[in-house]
Amino acid sequence: DTEVTQTPKHLVMGMTNKKSLKCEQHMGHRAMYWYKQKAKKPPELMFVYSYEKLSINESVPSRFSPECPNSSLLNLHLHALQPEDSALYLCASSPGVTLSSYEQYFGPGTRLTVT
Amino acid sequence: AQSVTQLGSHVSVSEGALVLLRCNYSSSVPPYLFWYVQYPNQGLQLLLKYTSAATLVKGINGFEAEFKKSETSFHLTKPSAHMRDAAEYFCAVTHTLAGGTSYGKLTFGQGTILTVHP
Repeated sequence: DTEVTQTPKHLVMGMTNKKSLKCEQHMGHRAMYWYKQKAKKPPELMFVYSYEKLSINESVPSRFSPECPNSSLLNLHLHALQPEDSALYLCASSPGVTLSSYEQYFGPGTRLTVT
Repeated sequence: AQSVTQLGSHVSVSEGALVLLRCNYSSSVPPYLFWYVQYPNQGLQLLLKYTSAATLVKGINGFEAEFKKSETSFHLTKPSAHMRDAAEYFCAVTHTLAGGTSYGKLTFGQGTILTVHP
């Protein structure tokens, strides 16, 4: 099973709402990632978790708060977002982070619209 | 720092024609290179990867890519395009730190949208 699942598929939220995005993988991977992808652009890395610990935060605003409850789950908590945060949010996983040859497996994404 | 450049933001071919999507990389250390495909409103799917085992890499869906160090290129090809190949394609390189570790950073090119005409 090489699947990464993400819920919800679509999310519309107001600027004062609090919501969460969820990601799950059952491949035994020890690294998980959040990316943000704007229309007609490549994905941009936001966070990397390695062995359930945050290892990379790409200077993401604090209104985005990641959480890795266990090795299979990754959440992204959203609070007080801005309209410019509307994008496709992609989760990915890989066997680890210490080898450059590790490929990342991506989920289908959550399409977020902030109104 | 590693980077990739994809030449041509849009490529259009006829069904049955050769597909050639260009990617050049910049890296001060041996790179690990990847091609991903993204269909509309979906996530990214790995097509193939180069990790120095062989310069000609075969991937899924009939795609292959050849690593050419002298040209710093990793172009993606497919002998005969199908309508279902219409998608956006991303070349990516692992951000390799000193000592050969990655810490999970992938750097993507800007993407090439492939259109296939009947």
